[in-house]
Amino acid sequence: DQQVKQNSPSLSVQEGRISILNCDYTNSMFDYFLWYKKYPAEGPTFLISISSIKDKNEDGRFTVFLNKSAKHLSLHIVPSQPGDSAVYFCAASHPNTGNQFYFGTGTSLTVIP
Amino acid sequence: ETGVTQSPTHLIKTRGQQVTLRCSSQSGHNTVSWYQQALGQGPQFIFQYYREEENGRGNFPPRFSGLQFPNYSSELNVNALELDDSALYLCASSDYGSFYNEQFFGPGTRLTVL
Repeated sequence: DQQVKQNSPSLSVQEGRISILNCDYTNSMFDYFLWYKKYPAEGPTFLISISSIKDKNEDGRFTVFLNKSAKHLSLHIVPSQPGDSAVYFCAASHPNTGNQFYFGTGTSLTVIP
Repeated sequence: ETGVTQSPTHLIKTRGQQVTLRCSSQSGHNTVSWYQQALGQGPQFIFQYYREEENGRGNFPPRFSGLQFPNYSSELNVNALELDDSALYLCASSDYGSFYNEQFFGPGTRLTVL
């Protein structure tokens, strides 16, 4: 049962434009969400997080938006750079499971120079 | 500051064998979580260790077991290997002092079961 879903396996964006990666979840108990970036042959690297008490969190070029009623979050990267090309995973956790994270299947982002 | 390290990098085993994977947590971290990432999938939580005790477990059978040592390093043991156990095994360390804490991942061990 996939509780966190990323329905777009891949995304291509021109350098300098906005990249929007989407994530949906089914468990209304989730209260903390994270985005990780993964390069080949490396482990996932934490990018940005958001608590369910917020609807937006921004860190430099990266912004995460949370729509709790729609059970949807998105990661915006502006402007996109070639070095952003990687696989992006969203993850979620809820109070009952503490540090257990539920990951989506990932979206492979390619930023074209 | 030393990051999370895992050994070995790659491993090939046959069905029915047993395997031990190792993880050294990042300096200052007291919690280790293990994940299995099958091809084309996201990481799936196996279990977490805090203060040498299992502190949460995902939907994995008992043949997946683990240990955490006083220096917070950890092992993942898998008995009676099956073909479906072929995956990337990721270890992540964190500081349990904060309830919401980012997990820092190692590069993973690629296990192939033939």
